[in-house]
Amino acid sequence: ETGVTQSPTHLIKTRGQQVTLRCSSQSGHNTVSWYQQALGQGPQFIFQYYREEENGRGNFPPRFSGLQFPNYSSELNVNALELDDSALYLCASSRKQGATDTGELFFGEGSRLTVL
Amino acid sequence: DAKTTQPPSMDCAEGRAANLPCNHSTISGNEYVYWYRQIHSQGPQYIIHGLKNNETNEMASLIITEDRKSSTLILPHATLRDTAVYYCIVRGHSGSARQLTFGSGTQLTVLP
Repeated sequence: ETGVTQSPTHLIKTRGQQVTLRCSSQSGHNTVSWYQQALGQGPQFIFQYYREEENGRGNFPPRFSGLQFPNYSSELNVNALELDDSALYLCASSRKQGATDTGELFFGEGSRLTVL
Repeated sequence: DAKTTQPPSMDCAEGRAANLPCNHSTISGNEYVYWYRQIHSQGPQYIIHGLKNNETNEMASLIITEDRKSSTLILPHATLRDTAVYYCIVRGHSGSARQLTFGSGTQLTVLP
C-alpha cells in the first residue's frame, strides 16, 4: 500500500473520444508524475506536476494534458484517443523540496485504458 | 540520465540469494542508482537507491562498484513473492532530472 489511489481501474473508450484519469497522492507529497506503460514495456514518463504547474514533460503530444489541484491530487486528460493510447497509466507521488527531488516515487496501481 | 543495461531474465531458487546485475558505464558523478520492481499488474515499487556507498534496507542490499560503472541488487532470501520485473535506473536529484527513465528491466522468476 503506497497511499496513492487511481481511478478508474479499468475503462474502455473508442477512437476519437476523450478520457480523464484521476490520482490522489500520498499524504505529505506535493509532486505528481504520470507514466504510460504499454504491454510488455517499461513505464514511459508523460509529465510531472508541482505547485499546480507542469514541471517537466516527456515525448508525448499536446493532446496529453494534466492538472494538479491545491490538495495535490491530479488528473490526466487525453483527447482524440488513438488505438496506440491503449496502456496502463500510472500515477506516482513524491515530495520535492526546493530544487531537490529524490527519485523515491510511490506509484498507484494504475488505470488500464483500452481504446477500440 | 545515464543509460542502464540489464539481463532480460534470471531465475533463482526459493530461499537462495538473488543477485541482479546492472551496467551503467556512463553514469555521472551526481547521479544515483535506483532500483524498482514491478509485480505483474501492479504499479512499480521502490526498493533502494545509492550514490557510491553500499546500501541495505529491509528489502535488499545494493552493491555499487568503486568506479560506479555497475551495481548489483541482492535479495538475500528470495521468496515466490519476489517474482517481478526489476528495473535499474540512474537519476540525478536536482535540476531538470525529474523523471525516472525505465528500461526493459530483468524478469526475475523465483522457482519453488
